[in-house]
Amino acid sequence: SQQGEEDPQALSIQEGENATMNCSYKTSINNLQWYRQNSGRGLVHLILIRSNEREKHSGRLRVTLDTSKKSSSLLITASRAADTASYFCATGRAGGTSYGKLTFGQGTILTVHP
Amino acid sequence: EAGVAQSPRYKIIEKRQSVAFWCNPISGHATLYWYQQILGQGPKLLIQFQNNGVVDDSQLPKDRFSAERLKGVDSTLKIQPAKLEDSAVYLCASSLVGLAGSYNEQFFGPGTRLTVL
Repeated sequence: SQQGEEDPQALSIQEGENATMNCSYKTSINNLQWYRQNSGRGLVHLILIRSNEREKHSGRLRVTLDTSKKSSSLLITASRAADTASYFCATGRAGGTSYGKLTFGQGTILTVHP
Repeated sequence: EAGVAQSPRYKIIEKRQSVAFWCNPISGHATLYWYQQILGQGPKLLIQFQNNGVVDDSQLPKDRFSAERLKGVDSTLKIQPAKLEDSAVYLCASSLVGLAGSYNEQFFGPGTRLTVL
């Protein structure tokens, strides 16, 4: 079953605007990752945040994690048309023999208009 | 560094036929994953290998799906017989060794788009 739920399901913005996507999950995690998928392609890893971290930056990306609310957000600043893609959050469960297993959400479709 | 390779990229078959997908992970990556991604959904893990051993196959429909990873490198996923609901993109991913409780980014191949008619 899908653990993460992304919100919104679809987001349409103009180039230069910021895009914020949210992810909620249900069980305890040890890490949360965000991936991007361009149409017809495989997924590309964007950023990983550990459960003991609250915020992480990578270029124009900013990820926050609130383990008390079991939620994360991905902010893309100064968006470009090339950012048009589907974005997925994926969670790694804490404890047990997880061996790096990830559970993906349904994704947010981002469209950036030039 | 070469990425994860998958073949074929596209496959169209009739229901009840058999099909096989091949994956070659990034060199040195001990962990290999097969995902099923139905249109409009996120990837769902089918099976996870650590070297040539199965770590998790809890969501693999074992009555029709099988997978192997001989010699701990390449992997093959097979569907026999296929059903209409198997139409999806099958993604292969690999990562560095995933010890219990560890976490690493996964590197994905381009996927195989399967259409079952």
